Amino acid sequence: NAGVTQTPKFQVLKTGQSMTLQCAQDMNHEYMSWYRQDPGMGLRLIHYSVGAGITDQGEVPNGYNVSRSTTEDFPLRLLSAAPSQTSVYFCASSYQGGNSPLHFGNGTRLTVT
Amino acid sequence: KNQVEQSPQSLIILEGKNCTLQCNYTVSPFSNLRWYKQDTGRGPVSLTIMTFSENTKSNGRYTATLDADTKQSSLHITASQLSDSASYICVVSWDSWGKLQFGAGTQVVVTP
Repeated sequence: NAGVTQTPKFQVLKTGQSMTLQCAQDMNHEYMSWYRQDPGMGLRLIHYSVGAGITDQGEVPNGYNVSRSTTEDFPLRLLSAAPSQTSVYFCASSYQGGNSPLHFGNGTRLTVT
Repeated sequence: KNQVEQSPQSLIILEGKNCTLQCNYTVSPFSNLRWYKQDTGRGPVSLTIMTFSENTKSNGRYTATLDADTKQSSLHITASQLSDSASYICVVSWDSWGKLQFGAGTQVVVTP
């Protein structure tokens, strides 16, 4: 069981560069989401999707774009990286929202210099 | 403003001992409360999910309690093992599609 797969595991970017963090799940989950985790803070929601073709903003969406063309994939795009985007990024999925548990990937550690 | 506060920030316990972690929240409206375990370098893993009507839920040596009136929850770890060393995160859901407010976590270190 692969579950939620994130790539890459580590990435270093220079300020102004763009990149895409990949997320794929093989559980046929409708709900997928992206979080960032910073030291001393709880995970914060960046963007989420309740199904293919449907996305919405979370708490901290600025500087990030998402799309959901298939049920399995939910990539996160950094348009022009900034040092404030240095963080650990987690993708998560669940069967549906509500009372379903979230299944997390193992994260991408991003450093922007 | 929705908030989830966890205490203590960190704790060290001897292998075999019990410990209790606390979570206070001001999230409204309340949908459910979750506890996750996060090992270093890994994503969080779900331990329990409790709705408004549930006041206790167990998962092996982990027992979570919920007092929805006082907006408090606790996670009790029984007979701790070295593998219990992790961050434990309290999460409160506040809408039907599962928008979540995360606590900052309690770092637990179990020593031999």
